[in-house]
Amino acid sequence: SVLTQPPSVSGAPGQGVTISCTGSDSNIGAGSDVHWYQQFPGRAPKVLIYKNINRPSGVPARFSGSKSDTSGSLAITGLQAEDEADYYCQSYDSSLGGWVFGGGTKLTVL
Amino acid sequence: EVQLLESGGVLVQPGESLKLSCAASGFTFGNFAMSWVRQAPGKGLEWVSQTTGGGGNTYYADSVKGRFTISRDNPKNTLYLQMNRLRAEDTAVYYCAKAEGYTYGEYYFDHWGQGTLVTVSS
Repeated sequence: SVLTQPPSVSGAPGQGVTISCTGSDSNIGAGSDVHWYQQFPGRAPKVLIYKNINRPSGVPARFSGSKSDTSGSLAITGLQAEDEADYYCQSYDSSLGGWVFGGGTKLTVL
Repeated sequence: EVQLLESGGVLVQPGESLKLSCAASGFTFGNFAMSWVRQAPGKGLEWVSQTTGGGGNTYYADSVKGRFTISRDNPKNTLYLQMNRLRAEDTAVYYCAKAEGYTYGEYYFDHWGQGTLVTVSS
């Protein structure tokens, strides 16, 4: 994938985790925003963070996003069992002329 | 409430064609760009194609360029994906998604349909 995510992360209930999304000068580094989606098995993705740092209404404040240089990050604090899902970052790549997703990160709550 | 309902996914043989539809409601359809995003079994998300609100501009992933055509009928609030010369690697759940944003770098997908499964196999 054009955007690189760790395949998996894990944490105990109550702890925090961070998921990275590493891009390049043709996408995140070029100023394109980073967006994050949460997907449960068999379900459609849902936007979790948009335009780097913004949470749609209904998304808990435990979820936060950031962007720096050629990377974006999703931080989840106070892990709950219900957070166990796949997480994807997304941006726009000017070299490809289209929108791109990271490979996805599976979050396991131990 | 925004609703997106895909249809048209079936089992087809390699080389055949298929047209997917996505019926939209709950928003002014013609005011928003729309995309198709697919997910192969057990794999991640892959953006496929996007069209602007008026349908005048279209964009495609390299993997489908020249084979797939995105279109929309704004009076019918419907998005389409015409898929030709299908390959086994096109097997996936296809989602339609409403795009939010003003510039290429801002666009994200704020609402998604439930998806429709396309299987390409002999």
